[in-house]
Amino acid sequence: AQSVTQPDIHITVSEGASLELRCNYSYGATPYLFWYVQSPGQGLQLLLKYFSGDTLVQGIKGFEAEFKRSQSSFNLRKPSVHWSDAAEYFCAVGLFLRDDKIIFGKGTRLHILP
Amino acid sequence: NAGVTQTPKFQVLKTGQSMTLQCAQDMNHNSMYWYRQDPGMGLRLIYYSASEGTTDKGEVPNGYNVSRLNKREFSLRLESAAPSQTSVYFCASSANRGGGETQYFGPGTRLLVL
Repeated sequence: AQSVTQPDIHITVSEGASLELRCNYSYGATPYLFWYVQSPGQGLQLLLKYFSGDTLVQGIKGFEAEFKRSQSSFNLRKPSVHWSDAAEYFCAVGLFLRDDKIIFGKGTRLHILP
Repeated sequence: NAGVTQTPKFQVLKTGQSMTLQCAQDMNHNSMYWYRQDPGMGLRLIYYSASEGTTDKGEVPNGYNVSRLNKREFSLRLESAAPSQTSVYFCASSANRGGGETQYFGPGTRLLVL
């Protein structure tokens, strides 16, 4: 069965430090890949998505993600985090053909130390 | 553009009561979704509507019903609320069906069932 794994439930980094959030998926082919962010009390907002082509994808708010087929991974990175980046981050996989659905990971909550 | 709107924002119900969660989008999207979000569980799809006039079950449909009233509106009904339905409910929409479509989320409805 298709699945999305975010191994880290919580991550804490200092403001100004670099960030990497991990995401692994299980699927028989290369799926569509997404990262969404949820600020406290808000709905989800798309950060970036990957369909094909260049494996390094740029998103909003200075985020980027790299697709690695050999590792079935789609990790999210930011070179220098800001206090406003404190939020919950969800990796998601979109499936092909008859499926209309997106499968979400369980999320990683990011805490920022001043 | 308001995007995706949801009403109410908060609701407290007693076990056995019924209620309808309302969702509307003004982006002329064809597909709409209802998710529930529980701590440590990420987002789970309850029902979706790939296009006006169609609805399909998601991962956790038991205890819920939906109505795609028109292209703009997609409601979620709890006929007899149970404490296990305490959750945050998100409505989302996308331009078309398909796993590669970006979903746009509403701000959520926080439901407590006593």
